[in-house]
Formats: sequence, C-alpha cells, structure tokens
Amino acid sequence: NAGVTQTPKFQVLKTGQSMTLQCAQDMNHEYMSWYRQDPGMGLRLIHYSVGAGITDQGEVPNGYNVSRSTTEDFPLRLLSAAPSQTSVYFCASSYSSKQYFGPGTRLTVT
Amino acid sequence: TQLLEQSPQFLSIQEGENLTVYCNSSSVFSSLQWYRQEPGEGPVLLVTVVTGGEVKKLKRLTFQFGDARKDSSLHITAAQPGDTGLYLCAGALGGDNYGQNFVFGPGTRLSVLP
Repeated sequence: NAGVTQTPKFQVLKTGQSMTLQCAQDMNHEYMSWYRQDPGMGLRLIHYSVGAGITDQGEVPNGYNVSRSTTEDFPLRLLSAAPSQTSVYFCASSYSSKQYFGPGTRLTVT
Repeated sequence: TQLLEQSPQFLSIQEGENLTVYCNSSSVFSSLQWYRQEPGEGPVLLVTVVTGGEVKKLKRLTFQFGDARKDSSLHITAAQPGDTGLYLCAGALGGDNYGQNFVFGPGTRLSVLP
C-alpha cells in the first residue's frame, strides 16, 4: 500500500493563478481531509469529506474548493492564489479516528 | 486564540535526559492524539487517549490524559537523537469516529543532541 500520496511536492504560483493539489489514498478510507500548516499555528482544517460525493468546510475554507468523486481521490483547488495561501498543505485519510497523513505540498504564492 | 496550547514551544536537550511536554486547553475533548512530525514529512500518529486519567506507554514514551479530559502530557525517558521532531497534540471535540473535529496545537519542537 502506498498510503496517502500528494502531488506536487513543491509549487510556486503567482498571485491570481489557480491550481489543483492532488491527493489519493489506497486504504479505502471513507474520511479524507485537507489541512494547512503554518509556523506556530499547528494544522488547520480546510475541508473534509466523509465519503464520495460528500464534502464540508473546516476551519479555514475560504479560497479553496474540493470535490470527492471517488473514494480514492480528494483534490484541493485554489481558485485565485493569494500570498496568504503560502503554506504547507497536508492531505489525510482516516478510519476509526486514526489519521494517516500524506507527505505534504509546499506552496509559495508570490 | 489557539484552542490547544502546547508547552514548551522549543526544547533542546542532551541524549539520555528525560523530558515532559504539555498540551492544555479550556475545552473538554472526547479523545486526544499525539503525533510526531519530521522535517519534510506528514505527522505520524503515536497514540490516542480516550478516558480521563488514562496512561499509555509506547516504549520510552508515556502519554497521560488529564482527569477532566482538557489536557495531556507526553513524557520521554532517556531521550535519543531519533526522538527529534515536532510533537503535535490534537483534540477531538465530537464523539464520532471519523476525526473531522480534531483541532491541533501548535506543537513542541524537540531537539535531542548526541
């Protein structure tokens, strides 16, 4: 099992550009989530999904969209990147409260 | 304002020393988790504590959940360089098994020097 995979590992965007961060898991977990991690802030929940076709907002959803068309994939879309979205993004899948995190995507918006 | 506070923020010790890090909140959690995160990687779950007063041991690591389920501590005995990393606590506010209501603390960055 590959676990949770994320692509790309690094990305630089200009303000106003859009992009999609990819996340996939092969553990057949129903629950998946996206977090951002900023220095001194811990991880903050952006969006989560309890199963295919179902998504909901977390603590900091503004500027991000998600969709869940399959159990395996949970992409995160930045609609119009802003410097405040410079961060490290982690995708996680979980079963019975055990969360498994991907390796992260480091995003810089200039 | 952070829902979960962690202390100390940074800790640098020599190999072989003991240490305790803390996770505190004014909120009650249905469960609390500890993670370790190494540079360039995602957090890895170490333990989940559920019952007030619960103590769990993982080799040289001892985790305790406060009686009121508002705080937790992580004690490391005879620290080794391999213990170096960012230790995060995360509290579950809801009673579900999916974990969507976990809130994370800012972390304690531990450095164990050989």
